[in-house]
Amino acid sequence: GAGVSQSPRYKVAKRGQDVALRCDPISGHVSLFWYQQALGQGPEFLTYFQNEAQLDKSGLPSDRFFAERPEGSVSTLKIQRTQQEDSAVYLCASSLRETEAFFGQGTRLTVV
Amino acid sequence: AQSVTQPDIHITVSEGASLELRCNYSYGATPYLFWYVQSPGQGLQLLLKYFSGDTLVQGIKGFEAEFKRSQSSFNLRKPSVHWSDAAEYFCAVGPYSTLTFGKGTMLLVSP
Repeated sequence: GAGVSQSPRYKVAKRGQDVALRCDPISGHVSLFWYQQALGQGPEFLTYFQNEAQLDKSGLPSDRFFAERPEGSVSTLKIQRTQQEDSAVYLCASSLRETEAFFGQGTRLTVV
Repeated sequence: AQSVTQPDIHITVSEGASLELRCNYSYGATPYLFWYVQSPGQGLQLLLKYFSGDTLVQGIKGFEAEFKRSQSSFNLRKPSVHWSDAAEYFCAVGPYSTLTFGKGTMLLVSP
């Protein structure tokens, strides 16, 4: 596609519910990143894939967060047993190896 | 550990006036440096980047930034601000695979 596509754009979850956020990167982009942006803050790194390999997951805040990219294209970020502090915008980005990252519009998650 | 400081939370500039947004970083090696812009409800758009070479970098929309290693700074400048430049601006430091962002500077443009 023309850009990085994320779905859904908005998600409201009840506390304790599991959610799955989807990212479609730009076609052919090898690298894929997930960032979390809390209200009034800059994005914070969560995890990084090169093709299907998850090379860095040091930013995932807890074991309730899980990301996958099984075929090296679409990626899913899953959050289990959501809590209020998980409320944020989740940004996905992709890039052609060591070049700039192109960001999607994000998924705004609100946990109530 | 790498870090980025954007000391100004908000800046108001008159339309047509010049702009400088400050960014200071901490990084153990030669950094990859970026400026991104974010409009409300939108993702991040890359304005410019520095990897190596000429320390004055030109970007899109008439923006430029200067890398000053001695000051650990990468300030963003524009000679004449337009009302459409009102947005939030983020400075980030590499490596490209795990960017660290500052907290952002909100630019307000007054008529």
